[in-house]
Amino acid sequence: EPEVTQTPSHQVTQMGQEVILRCVPISNHLYFYWYRQILGQKVEFLVSFYNNEISEKSEIFDDQFSVERPDGSNFTLKIRSTKLEDSAMYFCASMMDRNNSPLHFGNGTRLTVT
Amino acid sequence: RKEVEQDPGPFNVPEGATVAFNCTYSNSASQSFFWYRQDCRKEPKLLMSVYSSGNEDGRFTAQLNRASQYISLLIRDSKLSDSATYLCVVNGGGFSGGYNKLIFGAGTRLAVHP
Repeated sequence: EPEVTQTPSHQVTQMGQEVILRCVPISNHLYFYWYRQILGQKVEFLVSFYNNEISEKSEIFDDQFSVERPDGSNFTLKIRSTKLEDSAMYFCASMMDRNNSPLHFGNGTRLTVT
Repeated sequence: RKEVEQDPGPFNVPEGATVAFNCTYSNSASQSFFWYRQDCRKEPKLLMSVYSSGNEDGRFTAQLNRASQYISLLIRDSKLSDSATYLCVVNGGGFSGGYNKLIFGAGTRLAVHP
């Protein structure tokens, strides 16, 4: 069964550094998402991406965050200057279409900011 | 009112028990409903979609009441392997630019013991 893949599985970085989290969505899916989950808390929506542009973003997704789909397969999340509170599990997800389709999640990247 | 609200849990039940989870959602325009399962420090995985007429998948039964904006999940004959957090997931309601944001409840933890 096709799956969403994310790399790396764990990223440790120092406060103020830039990080790029990478994802390869399922190949025939059209909608792409980033969610995050701080340890012990709920899964929170960050951003959705369709047709090479952001469709919607949450208030968490401020100017420090950006997404890109540079080559038609990879979907990346960049955090420009990480803060301690960015430490979380970041999940990439993709969806085939908007007609009652579920989200398919990758295994996640655990980001630790020290 | 929270967008998606679930029983706080945890539910501690013996093997073989029947357990029911409830969920309410605030956006009457929501059209897609799902139950996901999340194991500790893993990604959410789709358990089942929820249809208006109710649906069953083996030991799992999901119901939707649009008038009350209420979703339920019933697990019969609980197994040890059912121990996980169960997430109620609802789409944000309405479509614009092709997005279909899914919103997660905080989850209800289930612990099945021998």
